[in-house]
Amino acid sequence: DAGVTQSPTHLIKTRGQQVTLRCSPKSGHDTVSWYQQALGQGPQFIFQYYEEEERQRGNFPDRFSGHQFPNYSSELNVNALLLGDSALYLCASSNLLRVVLTDTQYFGPGTRLTVL
Amino acid sequence: GESVGLHLPTLSVQEGDNSIINCAYSNSASDYFIWYKQESGKGPQFIIDIRSNMDKRQGQRVTVLLNKTVKHLSLQIAATQPGDSAVYFCAEVSGNTGKLIFGQGTTLQVKP
Repeated sequence: DAGVTQSPTHLIKTRGQQVTLRCSPKSGHDTVSWYQQALGQGPQFIFQYYEEEERQRGNFPDRFSGHQFPNYSSELNVNALLLGDSALYLCASSNLLRVVLTDTQYFGPGTRLTVL
Repeated sequence: GESVGLHLPTLSVQEGDNSIINCAYSNSASDYFIWYKQESGKGPQFIIDIRSNMDKRQGQRVTVLLNKTVKHLSLQIAATQPGDSAVYFCAEVSGNTGKLIFGQGTTLQVKP
């Protein structure tokens, strides 16, 4: 049973560029959440996708957008990159029965994004 | 606003001793908490969870205590081993979507 997978592992971009990160949820999970973890900090919630729609969003600008595909995998897009976007981006998957969370969230290994 | 915080950024213990990592939260309506372990270069790994209808929950070598009166929870690790060295986060599960609100983390260092 594959766990949560993310790609790429590492990424280096320059300011102003755009980036796309990818996540495949754990088998049997239908919900994907994205988190940003700055160095030395706890993860911060970006948004959550369920049934191909953004279900909840944290305090992040519109430069951060996402998508969920019919197979439940997800992408995180960040436009107009800033130096402060350098962080570990984590994907977590779970099973959401429309209203109630039915499963613990499991995290992938993350994508380390460096913006120069 | 919502916040979850840990008391100590770093905890150093001797191998074989018990470890206690503390966490405070601000939202008295919070009813579900999870402890995660994060090793270097990896994503957070689920350790144990507890809901507000319980005061204590035990797993393998780990115990979580929840004190709703003072809005405090702790993670106890028995017979700490070198493999327990990591950053530990407490997280509040917010609402029905399961949004996680993390504290800043405590780094546990195990001395041989």
